[in-house]
Amino acid sequence: AQSVTQPDIHITVSEGASLELRCNYSYGATPYLFWYVQSPGQGLQLLLKYFSGDTLVQGIKGFEAEFKRSQSSFNLRKPSVHWSDAAEYFCAVGPIFGNEKLTFGTGTRLTIIP
Amino acid sequence: GAGVSQSPRYKVTKRGQDVTLRCDPISSHATLYWYQQALGQGPEFLTYFNYEAQPDKSGLPSDRFSAERPEGSISTLTIQRTEQRDSAMYRCASSPQLRTGSGQETQYFGPGTRLLVL
Repeated sequence: AQSVTQPDIHITVSEGASLELRCNYSYGATPYLFWYVQSPGQGLQLLLKYFSGDTLVQGIKGFEAEFKRSQSSFNLRKPSVHWSDAAEYFCAVGPIFGNEKLTFGTGTRLTIIP
Repeated sequence: GAGVSQSPRYKVTKRGQDVTLRCDPISSHATLYWYQQALGQGPEFLTYFNYEAQPDKSGLPSDRFSAERPEGSISTLTIQRTEQRDSAMYRCASSPQLRTGSGQETQYFGPGTRLLVL
């Protein structure tokens, strides 16, 4: 069965500092990987996705993620966070073909301090 | 429409009552999904539709939960005889089509319906 682990429930970062959110997955085939962000009162917004090719993918709002097959990881990074990045971040994995079922991690809540 | 919409945004009901949640996907999107998100958890898959067909109901927690998409556009999720454990955020998403291996398909999520069962 597929699963996603986000080991950090809550992270606090100073504004302007760098950020890395961890995501490890378990999947029996080539995965399709996603990072979504959830701001208060908003729906889940797609930040970026990895399907194939270059293992470093760029997303919106200055985020990037690196797929490391050997470590079953898909960590999200940002060089310099802004106060508006405070939100909850979810990593998800799904199949490349057919069934659209996504399996989500439990999320990491990001707090930004001035 | 411009995005996925859901109604109501908030629903408070008493245990034992039936509730129906509505999802209006992005127009022309073939595939529609329902997820349940408990407090402090990530969304969990309930079911999905490809047009009006419902190929996978494996995530529905019990037979009290049912979903419909009779004309292949708007969908409803009905919970009968609600229980307190049904309290959660219910999220709907849509995507243009089933994944074909091209890497292009993405699920677009609505704002969710927060259900509280007293």
